[in-house]
Amino acid sequence: EAQVTQNPRYLITVTGKKLTVTCSQNMNHEYMSWYRQDPGLGLRQIYYSMNVEVTDKGDVPEGYKVSRKEKRNFPLILESPSPNQTSLYFCASSLHTSGVSYNEQFFGPGTRLTVL
Amino acid sequence: SQQGEEDPQALSIQEGENATMNCSYKTSINNLQWYRQNSGRGLVHLILIRSNEREKHSGRLRVTLDTSKKSSSLLITASRAADTASYFCATDVFQGAQKLVFGQGTRLTINP
Repeated sequence: EAQVTQNPRYLITVTGKKLTVTCSQNMNHEYMSWYRQDPGLGLRQIYYSMNVEVTDKGDVPEGYKVSRKEKRNFPLILESPSPNQTSLYFCASSLHTSGVSYNEQFFGPGTRLTVL
Repeated sequence: SQQGEEDPQALSIQEGENATMNCSYKTSINNLQWYRQNSGRGLVHLILIRSNEREKHSGRLRVTLDTSKKSSSLLITASRAADTASYFCATDVFQGAQKLVFGQGTRLTINP
């Protein structure tokens, strides 16, 4: 089954304790992206990757890191989480057409993160 | 208005009625996409309409695009309780780099 998986689905942690949220897709998609969703603010892009070893900042990258060492995986790293990073996080992937237009995005099920 | 701004923010109708949601945007687009999100879950792609298209259908969904007015609408006909969800438009635009920008969504409630 074609899908995007995220782990963990729920996480409660404390300020400053490094964490990683994994994202994996099995559709051989070039493009992968991380979003956070907050009430009243909609979906905001954190980082994206056009292909292996190519990553770029989205609209709200502060406090986050990513890596793209393999095509299927795109982990999101919070080196020193803070309470303002409490949010619902989504990973997404898609085929990418020469940087011209975006195709259908496939979203993971979400990770609900609480930082105390 | 923001790029990809949905209207209304919330809509409540009776089962069987039609639901119409609108999306307005500011800059020219390559395409516009509609997504559905059930509460707290991942977004699911519904329809993609390209800038040179005016209307697309998929089952009970009908999407129109008016590039002169920079607006799109999503019509769900003969609504069902299972259509209760939030609906987002996403615009493929160039803002310093090619981006897919999501609106804040319309919360649709179908009452039985």
